[in-house]
Amino acid sequence: EPEVTQTPSHQVTQMGQEVILRCVPISNHLYFYWYRQILGQKVEFLVSFYNNEISEKSEIFDDQFSVERPDGSNFTLKIRSTKLEDSAMYFCASSASQGGNQPQHFGDGTRLSIL
Amino acid sequence: AQSVSQHNHHVILSEAASLELGCNYSYGGTVNLFWYVQYPGQHLQLLLKYFSGDPLVKGIKGFEAEFIKSKFSFNLRKPSVQWSDTAEYFCAVNKGGGADGLTFGKGTHLIIQP
Repeated sequence: EPEVTQTPSHQVTQMGQEVILRCVPISNHLYFYWYRQILGQKVEFLVSFYNNEISEKSEIFDDQFSVERPDGSNFTLKIRSTKLEDSAMYFCASSASQGGNQPQHFGDGTRLSIL
Repeated sequence: AQSVSQHNHHVILSEAASLELGCNYSYGGTVNLFWYVQYPGQHLQLLLKYFSGDPLVKGIKGFEAEFIKSKFSFNLRKPSVQWSDTAEYFCAVNKGGGADGLTFGKGTHLIIQP
């Protein structure tokens, strides 16, 4: 079964540094998403991306965050200047939906630790 | 904005017991409803989904859920649990007719004792 893959599995970064989290969505999928889960809290939606632009974003997704699909396969989340509170598990997801009603498939996540 | 609440944060059952995990959402419009499971060390996997039609949906591994619109609920059930069902279970919702981001509940940590 096709999978969403994320790299790296664990990223340790100094506060203030930039970090890029990478995702390879399922190949025929059209919608891409980033979520995060702070330890002990629920999974929170960050952003969705379709047709090379952001289609929806949450309050969490401020100017420090950006997403990009630099080529036909990768989907990246960049945090410009990391803060301690950015420490979390970050999940990428994709869905085949065009018009809705398709489930999202999740990757294994990247654990981001900010020191 | 929609929200999801899961009533039980930790549930401990013995094998062969019946399971029901509660999920309520708040949103006035059409919604899509999901249950995801996360086994230890693994990614979120879709257990089942409701988009429209029969409010009783069946998923993988013997799980089912019933959408009760009047109660804004989508409870997960399994008649007889197994040790391998030990996992974190998440209820999620997004708006119907679109591919919006999911709103998750806090999750229920289910432990099945042999």
